[in-house]
Amino acid sequence: DGGITQSPKYLFRKEGQNVTLSCEQNLNHDAMYWYRQDPGQGLRLIYYSQIVNDFQKGDIAEGYSVSREKKESFPLTVTSAQKNPTAFYLCASSIRGATGELFFGEGSRLTVL
Amino acid sequence: DAKTTQPNSMESNEEEPVHLPCNHSTISGTDYIHWYRQLPSQGPEYVIHGLTSNVNNRMASLAIAEDRKSSTLILHRATLRDAAVYYCILRDPDTPLVFGKGTRLSVIA
Repeated sequence: DGGITQSPKYLFRKEGQNVTLSCEQNLNHDAMYWYRQDPGQGLRLIYYSQIVNDFQKGDIAEGYSVSREKKESFPLTVTSAQKNPTAFYLCASSIRGATGELFFGEGSRLTVL
Repeated sequence: DAKTTQPNSMESNEEEPVHLPCNHSTISGTDYIHWYRQLPSQGPEYVIHGLTSNVNNRMASLAIAEDRKSSTLILHRATLRDAAVYYCILRDPDTPLVFGKGTRLSVIA
């Protein structure tokens, strides 16, 4: 089935360690996105990419990095510079344009100890 | 970015219609109105979107005011499975979706 796969679903890391969250899609979508969600809050945009080898910062990009070397993959690295990384991370993809429906993965819950 | 205003929470009885309002007084001509919902511990799912005309799909209906400054998501018969946070979002062709806090819908059996 077509969709978005995020891994791992749960991740525990020690403070100061970099962590990479995987996001893969087989929907042939050009655009991919990373959002962060804290308890009781809405989603906040970290990074997005509308085409391979190009990406833009969202509202809260500090402390995060991404790459888009392949159309189907958009990994997110949470670096040690991110002051409060414990959160629920959601990846999404869509066709480009204002009518494109976003398809979301099941999310990755990161806990930094 | 254009912004939307939604009530923080709403309550509905099961099997009754639910009307979720959204104000977007600064909407521009190219903004589409999108609705998503998020069940607990899951990613959001698309519900419906529209530009000017009312829209219907299997999940819901979207009623858009003539001046486009407000819209209403209509769930025709609420079920317990419809309990979720509903997000009303404006999207133009060049920007990604920006989520607000949404409306938390509770459905009472």
